[in-house]
Amino acid sequence: GENVEQHPSTLSVQEGDSAVIKCTYSDSASNYFPWYKQELGKRPQLIIDIRSNVGEKKDQRIAVTLNKTAKHFSLHITETQPEDSAVYFCAAKRLTGGGNKLTFGTGTQLKVEL
Amino acid sequence: DAGVIQSPRHEVTEMGQEVTLRCKPISGHDYLFWYRQTMMRGLELLIYFNNNVPIDDSGMPEDRFSAKMPNASFSTLKIQPSEPRDSAVYFCASSLDPPTHNYGYTFGSGTRLTVV
Repeated sequence: GENVEQHPSTLSVQEGDSAVIKCTYSDSASNYFPWYKQELGKRPQLIIDIRSNVGEKKDQRIAVTLNKTAKHFSLHITETQPEDSAVYFCAAKRLTGGGNKLTFGTGTQLKVEL
Repeated sequence: DAGVIQSPRHEVTEMGQEVTLRCKPISGHDYLFWYRQTMMRGLELLIYFNNNVPIDDSGMPEDRFSAKMPNASFSTLKIQPSEPRDSAVYFCASSLDPPTHNYGYTFGSGTRLTVV
């Protein structure tokens, strides 16, 4: 089955700096890669996703890049703000033949310091 | 739509007692997932259903755990008997069938279970 590894487990940045979280996956047939943000005591919420037919996707201050050859993808947050502090999870799945099952990384605790 | 609805939000029970967690998926979603979240193990998929049928229960830790989906709008996760190591946040999530629809999951607010 799919295995997703995520690094770092914790990340502390100064407000205004950029943050990068990296994930690798094992199943070369995976073709959908979402990122979830989980604030303290809240549910995970989808913030951005990418399919394997594109290499990069951007939505305001967040962007995701995908390298299919190396089987890794990354989340980039620019101009970080205190409200970006949360746990971020990457995930991967096959859109067909995978039973719609998402495999999650272990999470990154991002802390944006003033 | 009210989203995915879970109940109760918090549950404290004594070891050995039966615990039942409940989930109502988003209307029209044909996949339902049960996840367990702990600090040590992160988000673990326990079981998921497609059109009310269990597809993969390989993540269910032991026979003490069981899940049902009697209809498209309701699912339960039962632990009997409960043990302190079952303490965790249990999330339910639902989604539509990819790849022709939105691919992501919508999570419920979770049930924080404490077994003492």
